[in-house]
Amino acid sequence: QKEVEQNSGPLSVPEGAIASLNCTYSDRGSQSFFWYRQYSGKSPELIMFIYSNGDKEDGRFTAQLNKASQYVSLLIRDSQPSDSATYLCAAPPFNFGNEKLTFGTGTRLTIIP
Amino acid sequence: DTEVTQTPKHLVMGMTNKKSLKCEQHMGHRAMYWYKQKAKKPPELMFVYSYEKLSINESVPSRFSPECPNSSLLNLHLHALQPEDSALYLCASSQGQGSYEQYFGPGTRLTVT
Repeated sequence: QKEVEQNSGPLSVPEGAIASLNCTYSDRGSQSFFWYRQYSGKSPELIMFIYSNGDKEDGRFTAQLNKASQYVSLLIRDSQPSDSATYLCAAPPFNFGNEKLTFGTGTRLTIIP
Repeated sequence: DTEVTQTPKHLVMGMTNKKSLKCEQHMGHRAMYWYKQKAKKPPELMFVYSYEKLSINESVPSRFSPECPNSSLLNLHLHALQPEDSALYLCASSQGQGSYEQYFGPGTRLTVT
């Protein structure tokens, strides 16, 4: 069983709408979660991290963590064409300490003008 | 400042060549990482250095040899690579000690001929 799972997409969202990206994880001990954005041909860029249950907002981005259900999501409000990218969810496996991140396979998001 | 730099940006090498990839960060981070990423796949961890000591080696073939000369620098020495080693090689760093956010450099695009 994969430790971090994402729907690979592609996910198409009209410009101005809310894009919702989801990630589930299998390790109940995981304490921290990260969202990376990766444009084609570029390196991953850390855009959000969340450690506590609930919501964390940063500009147009909101990360949501539900430890009981073992899922973490990323909402992008007022989606822009520049948000078109692959979004990677990552978490450190509990028994490996926090130096190692397990990445999901990524969700490819396309914002349609 | 969350900048990690990598050189070179592109590298083409033959299977008998020896080359090195370089990574540098000046954020005072104490953990540094090498990842390999193939097209449409998530980053795959290769090595982790924590406080200048190798802490994780993900069973990487010996033709890849990491080196951490000091807390700001990380090298990856390449020798006798195979065409299937062609990929984007990413360096990342994190504070360590309770802060696990990893910041990636722009990567080196490696082609083995």
